[in-house]
Amino acid sequence: DIQMTQSPSSLSASVGDRVTITCQASQGISNYLNWYQLKPGKAPKVLISDASNLETGVPSRFSGGGSGTDFTFTISSLQPEDIATYYCQQYENVPYSFGQGTKVEIK
Amino acid sequence: QVQLRQSGPGLMKPSQTLSLTCAISGDSVSSDFATWNWIRLSPSRGLEWLGRTYYRSKWYNEYALSVKNRITINPDTSKNQFSMQLNSVTPDDTGLYYCAREEVPGPKRVGYAFDMWGQGTMVAVSS
Repeated sequence: DIQMTQSPSSLSASVGDRVTITCQASQGISNYLNWYQLKPGKAPKVLISDASNLETGVPSRFSGGGSGTDFTFTISSLQPEDIATYYCQQYENVPYSFGQGTKVEIK
Repeated sequence: QVQLRQSGPGLMKPSQTLSLTCAISGDSVSSDFATWNWIRLSPSRGLEWLGRTYYRSKWYNEYALSVKNRITINPDTSKNQFSMQLNSVTPDDTGLYYCAREEVPGPKRVGYAFDMWGQGTMVAVSS
């Protein structure tokens, strides 16, 4: 099984800050990686697919990059509505696996 | 507009069987461009993919190793829904359970992604 190591587990930043989350796969997964946003009481939402593809309707302050084993997720200017937990997910192999999550808070 | 609506109990006792159903509207459980999944969220494990069912000329099921001996996912084409049964639950199975559509490569997508989710069912296992 492919293990996904995500960091940090939590972060606190100010509105307008640039925020970056990393995700590392235990083996190469090409660009078969998605990023999801989870907010309490709401259905999870896919923000970035195929490592760097911004999903329709998602604000352009969100971006993703990387390939192989190392990936990044960036919020270029943190907004109050971005308070959530973010997860990476690989789909190179079944069983699919997620990172441990990064809880983003406002300082 | 695709919607997934979950139903099932929220409180279980150890050793019981958890049964959840996900009703699909706006798509078909037999779609060539989707798989139908169960995913759970727990404080100890984070997000965990549990398994899926999908139709490609015949029905396929795939399960996570962590639950493989206890889980069954079944489609119901007559009601356009799919269900999950998890046997012999323990407190470690406590969590928020989601059904989700995985859209696969086709007219609308290049890769794979869980693009539609149910509302979630909070399941607590306690004696």
